[in-house]
Amino acid sequence: EDQVTQSPEALRLQEGESSSLNCSYTVSGLRGLFWYRQDPGKGPEFLFTLYSAGEEKEKERLKATLTKKESFLHITAPKPEDSATYLCAVQALGASKIIFGSGTRLSIRP
Amino acid sequence: SAVISQKPSRDICQRGTSLTIQCQVDSQVTMMFWYRQQPGQSLTLIATANQGSEATYESGFVIDKFPISRPNLTFSTLTVSNMSPEDSSIYLCSVGQSGGKNIQYFGAGTRLSVL
Repeated sequence: EDQVTQSPEALRLQEGESSSLNCSYTVSGLRGLFWYRQDPGKGPEFLFTLYSAGEEKEKERLKATLTKKESFLHITAPKPEDSATYLCAVQALGASKIIFGSGTRLSIRP
Repeated sequence: SAVISQKPSRDICQRGTSLTIQCQVDSQVTMMFWYRQQPGQSLTLIATANQGSEATYESGFVIDKFPISRPNLTFSTLTVSNMSPEDSSIYLCSVGQSGGKNIQYFGAGTRLSVL
């Protein structure tokens, strides 16, 4: 069964303190791995998609990486506005649906 | 990316009633999806709605409880029928991007409370 596990569940950082969020997955052939950001009361906002091991994507203070078993979302020198829940999702080959992990709630203190 | 509008944004309903949620997209899309997000939880797919065919429901979700319409390539509705407090949740519409990238874009969601 395809599965996505995210850790930690919650992470509190000081402004400027870099860290990484983990997304471990098992899927019968990976079509794509997706990272979303979700703010309270809003729908998920697309950040990145990764398709093959070794691939990396960057956007401002965020960098996503992918291996055959997991993905990391690295956040460098975060700011309070980076506080949100970060969701990881995978899509299997031949499938139209994507499966979401439970998310990591990130809180950045000024 | 597509602009997705959901209505209503929130509602409070009585037990036993039904609510229809609308999802409007600013461009034609082949695939639309409906998700449920229970408080503090992640997203669970309810069904996939393709224009011109019956919706495909995920395990644990049935058409009698969550009927879906997809009359054209820019619009879909999800009805939550015979509601109970356990249906209190956020319901989200998403659309799939065409062209092979398979990215899904989401509406802001409908926050439903059932008393």
